Amino acid sequence: KQEVTQIPAALSVPEGENLVLNCSFTDSAIYNLQWFRQDPGKGLTSLLLIQSSQREQTSGRLNASLDKSSGRSTLYIAASQPGDSATYLCAVLDRDNQFYFGTGTSLTVIP
Amino acid sequence: DTAVSQTPKYLVTQMGNDKSIKCEQNLGHDTMYWYKQDSKKFLKIMFSYNNKELIINETVPNRFSPKSPDKAHLNLHINSLELGDSAVYFCASSQDEYQPQHFGDGTRLSIL
Repeated sequence: KQEVTQIPAALSVPEGENLVLNCSFTDSAIYNLQWFRQDPGKGLTSLLLIQSSQREQTSGRLNASLDKSSGRSTLYIAASQPGDSATYLCAVLDRDNQFYFGTGTSLTVIP
Repeated sequence: DTAVSQTPKYLVTQMGNDKSIKCEQNLGHDTMYWYKQDSKKFLKIMFSYNNKELIINETVPNRFSPKSPDKAHLNLHINSLELGDSAVYFCASSQDEYQPQHFGDGTRLSIL
């Protein structure tokens, strides 16, 4: 059974810093991996989706990498802003067509 | 226009009742989902559905059932509500299971 873990559970950084969020999964047989952000009281917003054949995806200040063989993905956020404060979740689509979510990293960017 | 909308936003009801949560998407997507987020913020998929196939998470009690009147709607029916059903339920949609998902704002279900 797939297990998805995110470290750290919470992170607080000053504005302007670059930061990395980590996601690990136990079964490398996945179709894709997504990174989401969740704002309080809201649903999830998809940030980046990496197919299993890809190694990274970029969108603006965000860069997500995927190392399927080691079961790891990172989300890199450049020049962090207070508006980046949210909970970030990763999710994998397993080969049994089930989605498994990580427990999330709560990010606070301090002005 | 809201892409994925759920109603109601809040639902407070007594144990044993039967309730429904509605979900509509106007994105023309073929696949819709229901998720449960518990008090520890852990998100777990309950169902994924397109017009061909319903995939059920095996841990979901059969008191929960999805109903899709058409491609744009996937409603969640819950029978004989229990205290442990209290959670936030999210609906989502995507073009297919390999594309990014779009989420609704959630329905907070509280069981008295």
